[in-house]
Amino acid sequence: DIQMTQSPSSLSASIGDRVTITCRASQSVSTYLNWYQQKPGKAPKVLIYAVSNLQSGVPSRFSGSGSATDFTLTISSLQPEDFATYYCRQSYRAPVSFGGGTKVEIK
Amino acid sequence: EVQLVESGGGLVQPGGSLRLSCVASGFTFSSYEMNWVRQAPGKGLEWVSYISNSGSSIYYADSVKGRFTISRDNTRNSLYLQMNSLRAEDTALYYCTREVRRNSGVIKGDWFDPWGQGTLVTVSS
Repeated sequence: DIQMTQSPSSLSASIGDRVTITCRASQSVSTYLNWYQQKPGKAPKVLIYAVSNLQSGVPSRFSGSGSATDFTLTISSLQPEDFATYYCRQSYRAPVSFGGGTKVEIK
Repeated sequence: EVQLVESGGGLVQPGGSLRLSCVASGFTFSSYEMNWVRQAPGKGLEWVSYISNSGSSIYYADSVKGRFTISRDNTRNSLYLQMNSLRAEDTALYYCTREVRRNSGVIKGDWFDPWGQGTLVTVSS
């Protein structure tokens, strides 16, 4: 099974900060890498699909990059509504697997 | 509006059974693969099971294989998860989610969108 490792597991940041979250796969996942945002008490929602493609309706301050085993989610200027937990997910090889999550908190 | 609504969760004793349902609306249900994903209290996301649009292909996480059964009724726009021999570690919020695929040009991938609001399963004596 492919293991997905996110770092950091949590971070504190201020409004306007640039935030970077990384996700490392135990083997190549090609372009089958998504990012999800989950706010407390809510279902996850997809932000980025196929490594770098922004889901419709998602603000352009979110971006994704990377290849093979190393991927990054970047929030260019953190906004109040971005405080949440973020998960990466691979679907290149069954079983689908998620990273452990990165909780973004207010500094 | 594309929507998924789960139901059927509740409190059940260890060894018991529960059947979750998910009703879809706003899209052609029979055209999409579907999944169940769960989240234990305060924990991360764990994929549970997958079913193809026709129901002919089915996969399970090792943690539930042999105990859970996924199914769908395309005439009722509904997805199900029959859970037997429940354990304390199955306690979680269970989400149903649609799988969206793209395989054109440079974009090759799939993602879960949307997700339902979840239904809580608590396994405890």
